[in-house]
Order: sequence, then C-alpha cells, then structure tokens
Amino acid sequence: DAKTTQPPSMDCAEGRAANLPCNHSTISGNEYVYWYRQIHSQGPQYIIHGLKNNETNEMASLIITEDRKSSTLILPHATLRDTAVYYCIVRVAFRGGSNYKLTFGKGTLLTVNP
Amino acid sequence: GAGVSQSPSNKVTEKGKDVELRCDPISGHTALYWYRQSLGQGLEFLIYFQGNSAPDKSGLPSDRFSAERTGGSVSTLTIQRTQQEDSAVYLCASSVDGGNQPQHFGDGTRLSIL
Repeated sequence: DAKTTQPPSMDCAEGRAANLPCNHSTISGNEYVYWYRQIHSQGPQYIIHGLKNNETNEMASLIITEDRKSSTLILPHATLRDTAVYYCIVRVAFRGGSNYKLTFGKGTLLTVNP
Repeated sequence: GAGVSQSPSNKVTEKGKDVELRCDPISGHTALYWYRQSLGQGLEFLIYFQGNSAPDKSGLPSDRFSAERTGGSVSTLTIQRTQQEDSAVYLCASSVDGGNQPQHFGDGTRLSIL
C-alpha cells in the first residue's frame, strides 16, 4: 500500500471547518483513500473513503485532487467531540491478497478548542 | 444500529492465567478481524475470518494465542498462560466482506497482565 504523509497536529476552533490534509504521492490507480479517527480510549472509527471523486457523508467530506496525489478531509463544523487522531490510509481496491490488514501511521492529532 | 461489541471492556489478570475476549460483530458482516494496539503504538493485525474460509492466522504472535468464530458470527480470542507483554488493547473489527469495504471497530478490551 502507498505511504501517506500527514501533519502531526492541528488546531481548530469549535464551530469552524477543520481541513486535514494528506499526501499520498505514490498512490496507484487501484488504491482507495480511507480516513479513520481514534478518540482517546475508543476504537478506531471509520469516517469516509473514496477513489477519485469527491465524497460526502454525514460525518465529513473528502476532497481528492485530480492527480490523486493528495486529499483533504473536511469536518464542516468541528465540535469538541471531534478532538481525535485522524488517520489517512490508502488500500488496494480488489479483494484478495492481504489488503485487509489495516495499518495506521502516526496520523494527525486534531484539537478542537472552545 | 448496533456496532461491534466487545467484552469485557477491561480485564486485569495475573501472569500465567488464561483469558478469553469476546467480539460480537455487526449483523450481516461476513468478515471479522482481531488487532491489538499497545500504548501509543499502531495497529498489529492478529487474525482474519471470512465466511467459511480458513482463517488467516498469520498475525498471531505465538501458539498461546488462538481464536475461533462460531456460526459465522461471535468470535472469541483466547490467550493461554498470559505474559506481561500481552498487555494491550485488543480490538475487533468487522466488515461487509473481506474486500475494500471499511472495517468497523469495537472499543476494544484493555488487557492488563500483572
């Protein structure tokens, strides 16, 4: 799986949009971009994933650049409960092999301030 | 809807004792995964079950570790003759299938070996 690079930490004011960047310049054509987060003392939580089109769900939006070398996770109205470590990973799209083994890098610690 | 449920949430036991950790996946999910996460560390894959296929046990760290999944639903991870290095958070995840579908995690069992 392609390697990702994320800033180690970010701050955001409550109620503002949080924009978390991820660089995945070596991504290949069959790899999806996934975002998870982990709030202290809880298990990882799936947020969103996409291949090349922008995606939106009830939690967040995912913006993937046209060349797919980077993406941004957007939390439109951050709350204090969004304080967590956010992980960006890329995974191959096909079933088979051992692509089901998730690994997380260091991620970005997002702190939402009141 | 109900997410992945794990029990117990915390377990403290003496070195040398056996422990059983339980995972109840999301209904209808055919794939089930066990990971562990040591303090401040990333995910370590342990084992993967997919439908009626033979499980992928390649991540189990020793023969003291075993897991089963009965009736394609509930799974139990057993650690025999526990050692202090087994102390970690044991996470269970499930997904619709074993492909690129997102894995949904429980909140884990925090295991402490005295």
